[in-house]
Amino acid sequence: IAGITQAPTSQILAAGRRMTLRCTQDMRHNAMYWYRQDLGLGLRLIHYSNTAGTTGKGEVPDGYSVSRANTDDFPLTLASAVPSQTSVYFCASSDSEANTQYFGPGTRLTVL
Amino acid sequence: GEDVEQSLFLSVREGDSSVINCTYTDSSSTYLYWYKQEPGAGLQLLTYIFSNMDMKQDQRLTVLLNKKDKHLSLRIADTQTGDSAIYFCAESPDTGRRALTFGSGTRLQVQP
Repeated sequence: IAGITQAPTSQILAAGRRMTLRCTQDMRHNAMYWYRQDLGLGLRLIHYSNTAGTTGKGEVPDGYSVSRANTDDFPLTLASAVPSQTSVYFCASSDSEANTQYFGPGTRLTVL
Repeated sequence: GEDVEQSLFLSVREGDSSVINCTYTDSSSTYLYWYKQEPGAGLQLLTYIFSNMDMKQDQRLTVLLNKKDKHLSLRIADTQTGDSAIYFCAESPDTGRRALTFGSGTRLQVQP
């Protein structure tokens, strides 16, 4: 059982480039989330999806987009990367009972 | 709005008990959680408590919830060096979004 996988593990990206972070879960959870983690700020929600076909904005959505074509996949796209998007990105999914969230291993992104 | 606060750092000796505290502001929180993050890794769910409970015990972990004061604590008995990590408190607000609101994390250092 893989749980949640994320790819790539890390990436260095030139400013202005487009980048898609991948997230796949095999737990058949309806809800999925993207967070970014910055030092001293904890985790902040970027976008979420309560079920396949729907998405919503979190706290810090600007510069990011998501899609949810099916239950398992929830990619996050940076259309034109900027240095302030340098961060560690975590994908998560949750079950309906207790809303417990399970996290992927993270993608460390550096935008130069 | 929603806000979760934690102290930044706690240092204990191996074998002692650790108590990590958290305060939150959203009185509609349905569940509260403790996550552990080791260096370079994702977040691992440790335990959670439903908002109508006062206490939950799970092996070395004890969670206490004071709903009146909106205070949550995590006690780790017989703290080991392997418990050194960052601990995040999180709440699940009673909204359709279902995403968690995280504190900024408490770094626990266990000294041998």
